[in-house]
Amino acid sequence: QTVVTQEPSLTVSPGGTVTLTCASSTGAVTSGYYPNWFQQKPGQAPRLLIYSANNKHSWTPARFSGSLLGGKAALTLSGVQPEDEAEYYCLLYSGGGWVFGGGTKLTVL
Amino acid sequence: QVQLQESGPGLVKPSQTLSLSCTVSGGSIGSGSYFWTWIRQPAGKGLEWIGRIHASGSTNYNPSLKSRVSISVGTSKTQFSLKLSSVTAADTAVYYCVTQSYYSDSGHAFDVWGQGTVVAVSS
Repeated sequence: QTVVTQEPSLTVSPGGTVTLTCASSTGAVTSGYYPNWFQQKPGQAPRLLIYSANNKHSWTPARFSGSLLGGKAALTLSGVQPEDEAEYYCLLYSGGGWVFGGGTKLTVL
Repeated sequence: QVQLQESGPGLVKPSQTLSLSCTVSGGSIGSGSYFWTWIRQPAGKGLEWIGRIHASGSTNYNPSLKSRVSISVGTSKTQFSLKLSSVTAADTAVYYCVTQSYYSDSGHAFDVWGQGTVVAVSS
């Protein structure tokens, strides 16, 4: 079964920029993997930020953007706010099903 | 706007079958634009895709759970359900029902989530 890999943790300063990545054990992540990105805060359900690599939902703040970068899916936060401290998960379509990455704990410090 | 609400027992005994329902409001289970999905999350751990059902009745399941899981749509077409058999403590988790929306011009979005329901497997 496909394994999806994310950075376990990242730290960024307020106002800074950070990029989270999502890699697949099957090879380069392409648009056909339909990458979705979610933000989850403690005690809450995950919330969709980005779908199909680079599409924002209506509620997604402008500082969040998605892309395909170097064979991976990427989520970039520009002008990070304290409230962006959270767990971030990517989700990829692979082998007829969907597979989550292990999550990235983003600390804003 | 579609809204989802999970319901079901919060405690299940080992070896028994876990059964959850998800009530859909503001949208139609019969719409071909959606896949109706179950996702779970053990406490302090990551998310796991369990499976999905389409309005056509077609299903897809996580290979690691496929032998134990079944997702179906209720006769009223306002609910879809999850059944997971032969449960163990490893199945203890928060279970979410989720809408996977399909947009012909931009792909798939897991955009509507229920609040989640905690299920513990214990004797």
